[in-house]
Formats: sequence, C-alpha cells, structure tokens
Amino acid sequence: RKEVEQDPGPFNVPEGATVAFNCTYSNSASQSFFWYRQDCRKEPKLLMSVYSSGNEDGRFTAQLNRASQYISLLIRDSKLSDSATYLCVVNGGNYQLIWGAGTKLIIKP
Amino acid sequence: EPEVTQTPSHQVTQMGQEVILRCVPISNHLYFYWYRQILGQKVEFLVSFYNNEISEKSEIFDDQFSVERPDGSNFTLKIRSTKLEDSAMYFCASSDAGGTGVSPLHFGNGTRLTVT
Repeated sequence: RKEVEQDPGPFNVPEGATVAFNCTYSNSASQSFFWYRQDCRKEPKLLMSVYSSGNEDGRFTAQLNRASQYISLLIRDSKLSDSATYLCVVNGGNYQLIWGAGTKLIIKP
Repeated sequence: EPEVTQTPSHQVTQMGQEVILRCVPISNHLYFYWYRQILGQKVEFLVSFYNNEISEKSEIFDDQFSVERPDGSNFTLKIRSTKLEDSAMYFCASSDAGGTGVSPLHFGNGTRLTVT
C-alpha cells in the first residue's frame, strides 16, 4: 500500500458545483496533514492544514478521519480558478513529509 | 509576506557538468528542504537540513548531491556530475518548526534544471 494515496483524476466539474476528494495514508502515527495546491509548472502552495476537528476556510473544508486514515477536501461553489492539482501531504512521524501524487481538478464553465 | 526565493529560474547544463541551485529561505526559518519534481510526476523529497547539518535524506540524494548553508541566508544544492535524469524542477522550502504540524512548508518558485 502506498504511503499516501490519491485518486489522480482528473475530476471534471462544472463551475459552481461542489467537489470532494479523499486522500488515504498508511502511517497511523502521522500527526500532521496538509492540502497543497499546485498549478501547472508552479511551486506547491499551502491551501490549508487539516486539524483533528476539521476546519473550514471560505469555500474549502478539510476533514480528518483517523479511524479510517484518510483526509478529505471539499470545495463548494467551485470557480474556474480552482482548476489545479491538489496535493495531500502527511508527515511520516519524523521530519519527512510524504506527498501524494495529487488529484487533478478541472473546472469547466 | 516573506518569501523563499530561488535562483536561477531555469538552468540548462550539459551532462557531466556541475550545477549549483541557490535558495534564500525565509529569514526566521530554521528548517530547510530540497524537493524535486520531474515533469508530470509527483513531488519527491530530497533532503532536509537543520542546525547546519542534514537531518534526513532520501534515496535520490546520493553522493552526487550535496547541500550547504554557506552563510546566514543562502541554502544551496549542488549536483556534481549531472545526468539526463536529473532534469526536473527543483523546489527549495523552509519552515520554522520542522514541518511536523506546527508550521507547514513554504516553497520557492523553483529552478527548472534541464540536462542535455
């Protein structure tokens, strides 16, 4: 089983729709979880950290399910500018962060 | 907002040549990283650096790679004898708490290395 696994997509979603994707992780000792966004040929940028209680930032909601070892990202009222690859990042219990391969999201007008 | 800066933005080199990629982390950060991303593939961890020494490195970071913090601001990645498969985007990142949950990573814009 891969350490961090994501559906590569692409998810093709009409503008204004709600989209959600999950990321599973294998290390039950992981304590830190993040969603990064990466535009084509650009650096990853932090979208949000994921807290145990779940957290929301505007149209974005992140949740953690420790029992099933996955995190999720929900985007409401999607915009064309949300088109990007969304990277799930999990710490492996040490300094090293384990990166998922990313989920590609395409928002269509 | 403070930024991580990387130079050059694009480096073209011939196979077998040495390259040095430069990064200026955010000034109050203590943990520094190099990642790479081959076109179309996932972000791969290379090395982490703290307190003037390597704290962790991946299998990719073999003897051809080295890192240095020559002064209080720069953090460099050297590839001694480049291979074609070293062609990738190299990202520098820094954080103030080891990226273990207190503080995530802040990335530079990357250096695109093309080995011909």
